[in-house]
Amino acid sequence: ILNVEQSPQSLHVQEGDSTNFTCSFPSSNFYALHWYRWETAKSPEALFVMTLNGDEKKKGRISATLNTKEGYSYLYIKGSQPEDSATYLCAHRGRGSTLGRLYFGRGTQLTVWP
Amino acid sequence: KAGVTQTPRYLIKTRGQQVTLSCSPISGHRSVSWYQQTPGQGLQFLFEYFSETQRNKGNFPGRFSGRQFSNSRSEMNVSTLELGDSALYLCASSFMGGAQEAFFGQGTRLTVV
Repeated sequence: ILNVEQSPQSLHVQEGDSTNFTCSFPSSNFYALHWYRWETAKSPEALFVMTLNGDEKKKGRISATLNTKEGYSYLYIKGSQPEDSATYLCAHRGRGSTLGRLYFGRGTQLTVWP
Repeated sequence: KAGVTQTPRYLIKTRGQQVTLSCSPISGHRSVSWYQQTPGQGLQFLFEYFSETQRNKGNFPGRFSGRQFSNSRSEMNVSTLELGDSALYLCASSFMGGAQEAFFGQGTRLTVV
């Protein structure tokens, strides 16, 4: 079992604030790290897939970094908006026989107040 | 391009019954994975199918089974339902699996009474 930890569990910010979350995962046997955004009653939406140490990805106001040697990834949201309110999930994919499965953290629930 | 479709969206079953959930992946995708989410838990991997073959299986009892058809549609079956099987069941599809993005359906909410 690969433990994927996310922190904080929940976060409340004001509109316009920038925020970041952490995902930690086992650094051995790493293959890929996925970030998802999940709004209530909708499908989890893929944000990023990151595979290389030092990877940085960006989509609009959201960006992510990856450190595979120490086993962590950060997700940043610049200038949070109420529509960013969602649960943000990270998932680790390992090599070998478990390649086809994602190990999810429990998520960070973000609430952005207008 | 249609997304991943799961049916039904909601289901209520009685303990001891069995249930079948369906997942239609994005056209052209050959990998379908299933996940369970119970209150307070992260998404837990059930199994992955690729080209009609189970490629991976999570740590769930044998009451949980699945299959994939030649058109890549997948079904998941749970026999002898228990109260603890009440959960949101999500399926995800990707072209080949691996490091590629996995696209999720909206899930089936199963309630066992």
